[in-house]
Amino acid sequence: DTAVSQTPKYLVTQMGNDKSIKCEQNLGHDTMYWYKQDSKKFLKIMFSYNNKELIINETVPNRFSPKSPDKAHLNLHINSLELGDSAVYFCASSQLHTGELFFGEGSRLTVL
Amino acid sequence: GENVEQHPSTLSVQEGDSAVIKCTYSDSASNYFPWYKQELGKRPQLIIDIRSNVGEKKDQRIAVTLNKTAKHFSLHITETQPEDSAVYFCAASDGGATNKLIFGTGTLLAVQP
Repeated sequence: DTAVSQTPKYLVTQMGNDKSIKCEQNLGHDTMYWYKQDSKKFLKIMFSYNNKELIINETVPNRFSPKSPDKAHLNLHINSLELGDSAVYFCASSQLHTGELFFGEGSRLTVL
Repeated sequence: GENVEQHPSTLSVQEGDSAVIKCTYSDSASNYFPWYKQELGKRPQLIIDIRSNVGEKKDQRIAVTLNKTAKHFSLHITETQPEDSAVYFCAASDGGATNKLIFGTGTLLAVQP
């Protein structure tokens, strides 16, 4: 009964490929996020959805496309993968305006 | 937009000593300041947070102080233990409708036994 779960945990792929990461939360939260953590451990927000509506869209290449089919799920699709996309991608959820983020275990993407 | 600076980037202490990590933020509208701990290979987890209407908050061996005038906040860990070794992140919300959290650059704390 993991609170925020993401799949897959590990992704190894070639440059130019397309890949997706899925995230699900069972906490009943109304807001979900994607964060990118690079090799220097910087945690940077990419996107956020509140009740399926995109509310945060940082300066991210349009090769990255999030989708939220319902408020418990948030997926991330990445087209034409580049070496610089290699990172750990964390999904998180919260109740908007209450603050605390609950993170998933992360998905480590390696682009060769 | 909000910018959060965090110092030091690495900190090594002896077991039993205290550790202090400091952060500054730029957006005076920010009103929520959490601290996250990330152990090696694990997810970040909230350890303590403080809101702008409070100057200090304590939970057992950890405490956070906030100086709104100076726009800085600090994490204090007393009686450090080896299991405190991790990367610690401060963060600040931008105070807007999205409550976007901006993270500091992290501090790698090593507690030497």
